[in-house]
Amino acid sequence: QKEVEQNSGPLSVPEGAIASLNCTYSDRVSQSFFWYRQYSGKSPELIMSIYSNGDKEDGRFTAQLNKASQYVSLLIRDSQPSDSATYLCAAARGANAGKSTFGDGTTLTVKP
Amino acid sequence: DTAVSQTPKYLVTQMGNDKSIKCEQNLGHDTMYWYKQDSKKFLKIMFSYNNKELIINETVPNRFSPKSPDKAHLNLHINSLELGDSAVYFCASSQNLAGGPRGETQYFGPGTRLLVL
Repeated sequence: QKEVEQNSGPLSVPEGAIASLNCTYSDRVSQSFFWYRQYSGKSPELIMSIYSNGDKEDGRFTAQLNKASQYVSLLIRDSQPSDSATYLCAAARGANAGKSTFGDGTTLTVKP
Repeated sequence: DTAVSQTPKYLVTQMGNDKSIKCEQNLGHDTMYWYKQDSKKFLKIMFSYNNKELIINETVPNRFSPKSPDKAHLNLHINSLELGDSAVYFCASSQNLAGGPRGETQYFGPGTRLLVL
């Protein structure tokens, strides 16, 4: 079993819809969770981090964490074609994103 | 003005060769990282330096040796290249250890695409 699992996709949603990206992790000691966005051929970009159970909102993005279920999600509201990218979920035991274990990523396509 | 730069952008070489990848950041950050991303997009931390000191050293072959001459530079030297070393290598930096309650963000370089033939 991989330490961090994501549906590889591709996930396709129409423009304006809510895109829901899911991630589960196996290491119960994980404390910090991160979402990265990576456009094709480009480098990853850290877009959200979450440490406590519940929701964390930043603009159109909402990260959700449920440590009991070992589940992290990222919701993108009002999806835009520019959101089309691969989204990487990562989990870390400490607070250090650089020490994270990454999932394989979910490819999101937002269709105009 | 590129915040995190890497050279070369592309590197094609034969098995058994030795090669280096260079990384520089002009953000004044204290911490730098090397990641490897394979063809399946799996991203894995290799090394991290904080103020020129090695703080993360994941399980990588000792053919990989990082060097940080100063806190703005983190180079990666690879000896005796193997086919499995083909990947994209990303350098990144952050003010302090990335993540955490202060939400330190990592900034990634553009990547070096290494192909070993």
